[in-house]
Amino acid sequence: GIQVEQSPPDLILQEGANSTLRCNFSDSVNNLQWFHQNPWGQLINLFYIPSGTKQNGRLSATTVATERYSLLYISSSQTTDSGVYFCAVEATDKLIFGTGTRLQVFP
Amino acid sequence: EPEVTQTPSHQVTQMGQEVILRCVPISNHLYFYWYRQILGQKVEFLVSFYNNEISEKSEIFDDQFSVERPDGSNFTLKIRSTKLEDSAMYFCASSTPGGTGGYEQYFGPGTRLTVT
Repeated sequence: GIQVEQSPPDLILQEGANSTLRCNFSDSVNNLQWFHQNPWGQLINLFYIPSGTKQNGRLSATTVATERYSLLYISSSQTTDSGVYFCAVEATDKLIFGTGTRLQVFP
Repeated sequence: EPEVTQTPSHQVTQMGQEVILRCVPISNHLYFYWYRQILGQKVEFLVSFYNNEISEKSEIFDDQFSVERPDGSNFTLKIRSTKLEDSAMYFCASSTPGGTGGYEQYFGPGTRLTVT
């Protein structure tokens, strides 16, 4: 089956810093989504991005489907950005999640 | 904005008991899913459901699990005889075909199941 790898596994930042999270996947996919899991465990949709670039406020994402990777950029990080970031790829009726990047932002 | 809802938010049960987790997907969505996340691990697919039948299931989804859409709004996951290893956060999700042909999935807040 499709393998999804995320890096780095852990990231510690000071408020105001920028960061880039990476998601690699092992096969062609129809869909790629980025989620933020907040401290209460909720999965918040960030981007639906099978290809191309999207921006939403301080966050942006780029997927290069032909090279099988996606990047999530967080600029001017805030403490509320803390949590785990998951990418997930769609393969025949289901999402396959990566192992996540745990982000901690300190004031 | 429409959202997926789940009840209860937390369920504690004894080993061997049956539990039913409930979900109300987004109203115009056609595809429904259950996922689970054991504490500290990644989210895993359990089952997908379309047109009143299971379209795909994982090897985790054995005979102890079942899903049902009893009416036009609810989608349920039943675990017949819970085991300690069923303790996890269970997420319901729904989707519908988008303009680009993709299926963005929207997740509910989860039900944390604790089996003692």
